[in-house]
Formats: sequence, structure tokens, C-alpha cells
Amino acid sequence: DQQVKQNSPSLSVQEGRISILNCDYTNSMFDYFLWYKKYPAEGPTFLISISSIKDKNEDGRFTVFLNKSAKHLSLHIVPSQPGDSAVYFCAASSKVSNTGKLIFGQGTTLQVKP
Amino acid sequence: GAGVSQSPSNKVTEKGKDVELRCDPISGHTALYWYRQRLGQGLEFLIYFQGNSAPDKSGLPSDRFSAERTGESVSTLTIQRTQQEDSAVYLCASSLEGVWSYGYTFGSGTRLTVV
Repeated sequence: DQQVKQNSPSLSVQEGRISILNCDYTNSMFDYFLWYKKYPAEGPTFLISISSIKDKNEDGRFTVFLNKSAKHLSLHIVPSQPGDSAVYFCAASSKVSNTGKLIFGQGTTLQVKP
Repeated sequence: GAGVSQSPSNKVTEKGKDVELRCDPISGHTALYWYRQRLGQGLEFLIYFQGNSAPDKSGLPSDRFSAERTGESVSTLTIQRTQQEDSAVYLCASSLEGVWSYGYTFGSGTRLTVV
């Protein structure tokens, strides 16, 4: 049962354009969402998060949007840079569980072409 | 330390052998997590430690898998009688508490290959 899904395994965009990565979830108990970025042979690094009480959170070039009714979140990167090329994972958690356990999607490989 | 340290970085073992994977979390981080990532898949939760106790070990795939943490610091993940399906990257992460404010910090992982 895949509770967090990233339906696009890969995405390719031109440098300077917008990258939009999508994520869907099924569990309505999830109330905290995160995006991680992963380079080969490294551990994932935290990028940005959003609580379910918000619908948008922005940090520099990165913005996460949350649509609770659709159980959908997206990560926008603008402008995209070649250094952004990596695997991006969305993850969800429930504060009720009080463990900080994350459920991850399968990841989307982003390639930003110079 | 400055980051989460995992050892070994790579491990090749024969089917049926036992392996131990080590994680040194960031000093002072009370929460510690183990995940694994099989080829082409997302990260799969294995176990969560708060201090030295494990209130959530629901992700351990079978009784061949066990983990412990001592001194609210180092954690060891042990896999007994390894099988080929255990091949994966095993990732450890730590945080001050949960992930609510800034996520947690992952190590670089141990790539386990069972031949």
C-alpha cells in the first residue's frame, strides 16, 4: 500500500526554467510534509517542509504547495540550476504518531540541462 | 560529530552470513532512525529510537533484523542469515526530536550487497 506516491520517475528541464515535482498521498492523518534531495552516494538532505495548516511555504528558489482536499503537494524550483539535478523525495508524517517516522515516495530524478 | 556517520560504507557478504551496520548520530540528537532503500525505490522505514529505547520497530522486515542503541548514541543494525533481498542501501538519520521543524539529518548510508 503506497501511501505516498511520486508518479513521475524523471523530469528534465532547461536551466532557468521552472521545475515542478509532484507528490500525492492517501492517508488523511498526514499533517506534515517534507522534501528531500539526494545526490548519488550521499544521504538525502532536507530541503523544505510544510505543515497541513498552511498551503504554501517558500524558501529562496524553492516553494512547496499543499492542496489538502486533493491530497497533493508540489515542489517548485525557480529558476532551475544544473546543480539542482538530483533525486527528489517527498515524505509525509503524522504528529499524532509522535515518532517523527516518515513515509517516503519513490523519488523523482530531476535533470536540469545547461 | 559534525554529521551522521555510518560504517562500513560498502559491505559485500555471502548469503547466510550475519552483518552489523553501525551508525554514529549527531551528538545530542535523541531521535535515531534506520531506513533502507532498495534499488529504484523510495526509503523504507525500519526502526525508530528515542534515547536507547525503540518505541517503533514496525518496519523491521523479519526477525532476522534487530537493532540496538547504547548510551543514547551509537546504534547497530544487525541482519542475521542474510538473503539476497536484503541487498539495499541502509540509511541512518538522527534529530533532536522528530522532524517537525527541520527534518532529520541522514548519513551517507551503507550499501549492502548479498551474493
